[in-house]
Amino acid sequence: IAGITQAPTSQILAAGRRMTLRCTQDMRHNAMYWYRQDLGLGLRLIHYSNTAGTTGKGEVPDGYSVSRANTDDFPLTLASAVPSQTSVYFCASSDSAGKPTDTQYFGPGTRLTVL
Amino acid sequence: GQNIDQPTEMTATEGAIVQINCTYQTSGFNGLFWYQQHAGEAPTFLSYNVLDGLEEKGRFSSFLSRSKGYSYLLLKELQMKDSASYLCAVDHDYKLSFGAGTTVTVRA
Repeated sequence: IAGITQAPTSQILAAGRRMTLRCTQDMRHNAMYWYRQDLGLGLRLIHYSNTAGTTGKGEVPDGYSVSRANTDDFPLTLASAVPSQTSVYFCASSDSAGKPTDTQYFGPGTRLTVL
Repeated sequence: GQNIDQPTEMTATEGAIVQINCTYQTSGFNGLFWYQQHAGEAPTFLSYNVLDGLEEKGRFSSFLSRSKGYSYLLLKELQMKDSASYLCAVDHDYKLSFGAGTTVTVRA
């Protein structure tokens, strides 16, 4: 089935623990993105990658890191989770960054609770 | 920074028309997207405007005025399944900035 998958679906995490959210797409899209969605604030970009091997910081990058070793995978790591990172995290991809008409396709999301 | 405003909530009756406004102040504007998001689900693409004017796609239409920093999404012949959040997103520097979303409730 084509699209984007994310794992886990949901997670409860103790503060201070390390956590990696996984994202895989099979559409061979060059660009991938991580967003967090909080009530009243909408989707905010955390990190992005325009192509394999490159990454960039979005609007709210602090406390998060990413890597892009290949086209398909774009994991997001919380090195030491804090309660303010409780959120729903969405991964997205688009065919190619730098083309204004490229639509972003979103994964199903990961609901993360940090206690 | 980017500033994107849209109403928080709207309620309408089945079969009616609803217009969701979005105003923005951004740098490096490339275009404007509208996404639909049902509760507990991922956002899905509805429309994209890069030039001024109206884009019609079935029951949904989207309008853009770049000079006024203004867009609207028009939903016609509302159906119960249209109850969802509608997200306005500005494409700037080939990244998206989203508004907080407008929750539309369709009543029978």
